[in-house]
Amino acid sequence: RKEVEQDPGPFNVPEGATVAFNCTYSNSASQSFFWYRQDCRKEPKLLMSVYSSGNEDGRFTAQLNRASQYISLLIRDSKLSDSATYLCVVTGTGANNLFFGTGTRLTVIP
Amino acid sequence: DTAVSQTPKYLVTQMGNDKSIKCEQNLGHDTMYWYKQDSKKFLKIMFSYNNKELIINETVPNRFSPKSPDKAHLNLHINSLELGDSAVYFCASSQSLAGANVLTFGAGSRLTVL
Repeated sequence: RKEVEQDPGPFNVPEGATVAFNCTYSNSASQSFFWYRQDCRKEPKLLMSVYSSGNEDGRFTAQLNRASQYISLLIRDSKLSDSATYLCVVTGTGANNLFFGTGTRLTVIP
Repeated sequence: DTAVSQTPKYLVTQMGNDKSIKCEQNLGHDTMYWYKQDSKKFLKIMFSYNNKELIINETVPNRFSPKSPDKAHLNLHINSLELGDSAVYFCASSQSLAGANVLTFGAGSRLTVL
């Protein structure tokens, strides 16, 4: 079983829509959780960390459900510029090992 | 001023050749990494160095040899290149090994082996 699993999509949504991605992880001892964003042919960049209490940054909301071992990302009022691949990242046990999901591709359509 | 810079950005070479990719970070971070992203976009760690010492060496063929002359540099040398080595290689750095680390990535080096 993969450490981190995501629905690869693609998610094609109209501008202004609300879209949500989930990501599941296999190791219940995982400590830290992140969402990264990767534009086409670019490097991944941190979008936001995911805290146990959930956190919000503008139109983006991230939540963690430890009992069910998943994290989610909600994007409200989608913009064309939100089109990218969203990578779920989870820390494993041991020396600073981060596991990346394969990413969920989002395309926001005018 | 680029935080994590890697060169070359593109590399096209023949099977069997030896090539190197260089990486430098000016963030003062202690930890540096090499990741490989294959054609299916799966990003997998290859190596992790902390203060020039190897911390993680995933199951990577020994044709891949990282070298860290100082904590700001982590280079990747690949011997006897194979078709399956074609991928994008990302260098990254983080403040330290501990805690909830945020990775800063370089722009990637796209390797194509013919």
